[in-house]
Amino acid sequence: LAKTTQPISMDSYEGQEVNITCSHNNIATNDYITWYQQFPSQGPRFIIQGYKTKVTNEVASLFIPADRKSSTLSLPRVSLSDTAVYYCLVGETWNSGYALNFGKGTSLLVTP
Amino acid sequence: EADIYQTPRYLVIGTGKKITLECSQTMGHDKMYWYQQDPGMELHLIHYSYGVNSTEKGDLSSESTVSRIRTEHFPLTLESARPSHTSQYLCASGTSGTDTQYFGPGTRLTVL
Repeated sequence: LAKTTQPISMDSYEGQEVNITCSHNNIATNDYITWYQQFPSQGPRFIIQGYKTKVTNEVASLFIPADRKSSTLSLPRVSLSDTAVYYCLVGETWNSGYALNFGKGTSLLVTP
Repeated sequence: EADIYQTPRYLVIGTGKKITLECSQTMGHDKMYWYQQDPGMELHLIHYSYGVNSTEKGDLSSESTVSRIRTEHFPLTLESARPSHTSQYLCASGTSGTDTQYFGPGTRLTVL
């Protein structure tokens, strides 16, 4: 079963680029890497997903090296509203289907 | 954005009552999930479904039950609520293949 490891917390100032790295040494061939963002008292929100190399959307970029054993979520020029918990997920099989483990995530605090 | 709805948003109920938390999605997603999350803590998967008449227990033992009679509807039932059931319950749905999940707003349950 793929398991992810990411920092418990990170701090940043407004306007900086934030990179959150996630380790997933046991990633399987068919697994995708997905990142979610969660604000207090809300459900997680999908940010970005990738399989290999680099993916970019209007919110973030996701960098995945060739061995796929880690991935880095990059948030350009963060603002105070980016303060949230960020989860890295890797698709895993459990019995006959998929069951995703969100883990503890990385709590990002952005300050002025 | 996927349309996924949860009712009620907040519920305060006495011990021993039977309750049903409703979750509906209009995207035609095959997969649906229930998570439990205490404030500041991890999300724990308690139930999931891959389609009509399919239900599985998640990695967190739960005294709740679910049903999936229609694609769009995935209600969660507690036969006899207890204070230990006090938590936030999040419903999600997703498509097959890439396991992207879309979350509802959550139900905050308090059992007195």
